[in-house]
Amino acid sequence: QKEVEQNSGPLSVPEGAIASLNCTYSDRGSQSFFWYRQYSGKSPELIMFIYSNGDKEDGRFTAQLNKASQYVSLLIRDSQPSDSATYLCAVNDRGSTLGRLYFGRGTQLTVWP
Amino acid sequence: DGGITQSPKYLFRKEGQNVTLSCEQNLNHDAMYWYRQDPGQGLRLIYYSQIVNDFQKGDIAEGYSVSREKKESFPLTVTSAQKNPTAFYLCATGNGGWETQYFGPGTRLLVL
Repeated sequence: QKEVEQNSGPLSVPEGAIASLNCTYSDRGSQSFFWYRQYSGKSPELIMFIYSNGDKEDGRFTAQLNKASQYVSLLIRDSQPSDSATYLCAVNDRGSTLGRLYFGRGTQLTVWP
Repeated sequence: DGGITQSPKYLFRKEGQNVTLSCEQNLNHDAMYWYRQDPGQGLRLIYYSQIVNDFQKGDIAEGYSVSREKKESFPLTVTSAQKNPTAFYLCATGNGGWETQYFGPGTRLLVL
């Protein structure tokens, strides 16, 4: 069983601040990494994916990957109350050709005005 | 209108009853997945399928069954053998390999 660990939270930041969400994974051979946002009572929606070491930016979101440390993070700049949700980290299973993902338990983020 | 549809949105199961959750997609994705989510828990994989008439058990397959008779459809049956079925059930699709998975809106199953 592959492990994906996220900082347990909840994380609370003021509006306009940077929110930092962290994730570590156990399978050194994992190749693709995903961040999903899940609002209460809704299904997860994809925010970012990253395959290569380094940073990937998309608007206010930046994903950072360090394969040597088996660590992936999500930074949310200029946080807004609408960013309040649970963020799920997912990592692919290198041994599966069927695209199997392993998910962390999620970090609940609250952005207060 | 493209996407992934799940029905019903809410489902009530009586003791000893089998119930079937529907998942349909028109994204032409090869792979389909069923997950279960319990409060405060991550997503746990129940079954997954890459091609028609073939599927694999995930981590918590006991008490569940699936079929994949068409590429577009991957229904999940929660059998009476599943003693604790109350959960949020999510269907996802993708193209396998390194590819992203996309989720349907989910079905919330409750036991009467």
